[in-house]
Amino acid sequence: ILNVEQSPQSLHVQEGDSTNFTCSFPSSNFYALHWYRWETAKSPEALFVMTLNGDEKKKGRISATLNTKEGYSYLYIKGSQPEDSATYLCAVQSTGNKLVFGAGTILRVKS
Amino acid sequence: EPEVTQTPSHQVTQMGQEVILRCVPISNHLYFYWYRQILGQKVEFLVSFYNNEISEKSEIFDDQFSVERPDGSNFTLKIRSTKLEDSAMYFCARQGENTGELFFGEGSRLTVL
Repeated sequence: ILNVEQSPQSLHVQEGDSTNFTCSFPSSNFYALHWYRWETAKSPEALFVMTLNGDEKKKGRISATLNTKEGYSYLYIKGSQPEDSATYLCAVQSTGNKLVFGAGTILRVKS
Repeated sequence: EPEVTQTPSHQVTQMGQEVILRCVPISNHLYFYWYRQILGQKVEFLVSFYNNEISEKSEIFDDQFSVERPDGSNFTLKIRSTKLEDSAMYFCARQGENTGELFFGEGSRLTVL
């Protein structure tokens, strides 16, 4: 059974701090890794989809890296803002098209 | 890209009752999914639906569950006889054609009493 682990479970930072989260997964049968941002009372919104070892993607102040050989991905937020407060979900796609999600990292940014 | 619309946003039902959750894509897409999140647990896959057929389903998706696209537009998830443990937020999602990312609806919260 594919198990996706995320750490930390939650994070409280001050506005302006940079932060990062980790997603770990089995490296076998890997096809793609997804990152989603899930704000309270909204639907999860895709940030990145990565497939290749060494992939790096960036969207504004948020970036992500992927290491498929060792089975991890990092999500970085530079200069956190209160509007970055959300749950960040990692999900892995292996065989088939279904995604297996991690439990998420809850980020709270204080102004 | 447009998202999907889900109804109802919240439904409360008695154990043993049938529930139908609806998902309406704004544009015509072929690949759809149902996921759910029980409070405090991970988002989990239920079923994928491609070209009007189930393409993959999880162990959760037993005989009590069914999906269909009756009119080529609405995409429904039916739970025949709800159980307490079916209480969850149910998300419909469609797959982006270029990147494979999922576009989620806003979810239907099901509460089984």
